[in-house]
This record gives sequence, C-alpha cells and structure tokens, in this order.
Amino acid sequence: AQSVTQPDIHITVSEGASLELRCNYSYGATPYLFWYVQSPGQGLQLLLKYFSGDTLVQGIKGFEAEFKRSQSSFNLRKPSVHWSDAAEYFCAVGASSGGYQKVTFGTGTKLQVIP
Amino acid sequence: NAGVTQTPKFQVLKTGQSMTLQCAQDMNHEYMSWYRQDPGMGLRLIHYSVGAGITDQGEVPNGYNVSRSTTEDFPLRLLSAAPSQTSVYFCASSRPGFGNTIYFGEGSWLTVV
Repeated sequence: AQSVTQPDIHITVSEGASLELRCNYSYGATPYLFWYVQSPGQGLQLLLKYFSGDTLVQGIKGFEAEFKRSQSSFNLRKPSVHWSDAAEYFCAVGASSGGYQKVTFGTGTKLQVIP
Repeated sequence: NAGVTQTPKFQVLKTGQSMTLQCAQDMNHEYMSWYRQDPGMGLRLIHYSVGAGITDQGEVPNGYNVSRSTTEDFPLRLLSAAPSQTSVYFCASSRPGFGNTIYFGEGSWLTVV
C-alpha cells in the first residue's frame, strides 16, 4: 500500500522569502504524485502533478516540484512567497488499484506568511 | 461552471440522528468519492464509486452509506450520527484512469453533539 509523509505540520515564512515543503512517499511502482492546496474554508485545488518525464514540474501560482526517485521525495517549492499563498498544502500519491486510481493524501502542511 | 457541488455547507446534528450529505457534479465524471478531513489526519477516503450502480468502501466506511443511481449524484448518508463523525466532508470526482485530476467540492462542516 502506498503512503505519504509530510514531516512539517506548520511552516512560517516571510513574504518574499523562498519556500520548500517536504513530501516523502512510499510506493512499490512508479507513482503519480500530486500537490494540492486548500485555502481556508475551501476545497482542494490541484497545484501540479507528476508521473514521468522531466523531474522538475511547473504548476499554477508559480509553484514547482521536483521528483527525486532516489530519495522518494516530491518537494514543493516557490522562489518568492506572497501573502495569498497562506493555506494548507497536501501531497498525494496515486496508485492503480483494480482499474481505479486510489489516491492517498498526506496529513498536510499549514503555511503561514508574515509580512 | 459549477464543478462539484455539496450541500449543506454547515450542519449540526444530535447524536443518533441521520442525515444525507448531497453531492452533484456536472463534468460527467465516472469516478466519485467522499473523504473526511480531520486535524492532523489529512483526507481519508470513506466510500467511492467507479460508475452508476457501483460503490465500494474506502479507508473509514463505518457509519456511512452511499449509493450511485446516476452519474451526476453521489449522496453520503450518516445512519446514526456519533460525535466521532464531527468532521469536514469533501466530495470529489474525476475521470477514470491513472493520474487524472481529482476535483473537490467546497466541503460540508458537520458537528454532532
């Protein structure tokens, strides 16, 4: 069974600073990896996803993530954080299960942005 | 552009009461699912459906019931509400196939007292 670990429950960064959110996954085969963002009181929105190809993937809102197979990681980065990026971020791994895509979510990292 | 619509957004129930959370999607997605979100636990899958008439259990199905009579609708029923079911519930849908994006509703906040 697949699993996802997001080791940081809460991160605080200053506006304009760079950001890296960590994600480690466990899955026997090549996984589909996702990052979702959840603004307060809202549902989850897809930021980016990766399955194959270039290991550096670009997403919406200026985010990018890098897949590192040797480290089983899929960390999310942004060069300069804006106050509107304050939200909760979820890493997820998708696996094929009987024709259905079973997606397992991490426990989330809550991002606080200070002026 | 409705996407995935959940109702109600907020609900307070008394222990033992039953209720149904409604979910509808207008994207003609075959796959639909219900998750619950609790602090520090991320999203956990309750039930899912791969098409009309087909449902299956997820990670935390106890106390919940689902049916899928149409492609568009996937209601979640709480049979006899318990305080442990106080949570935020999300309905989601996607096209079949590996790696397809999952689209989420805005959530339903349920409190059981």
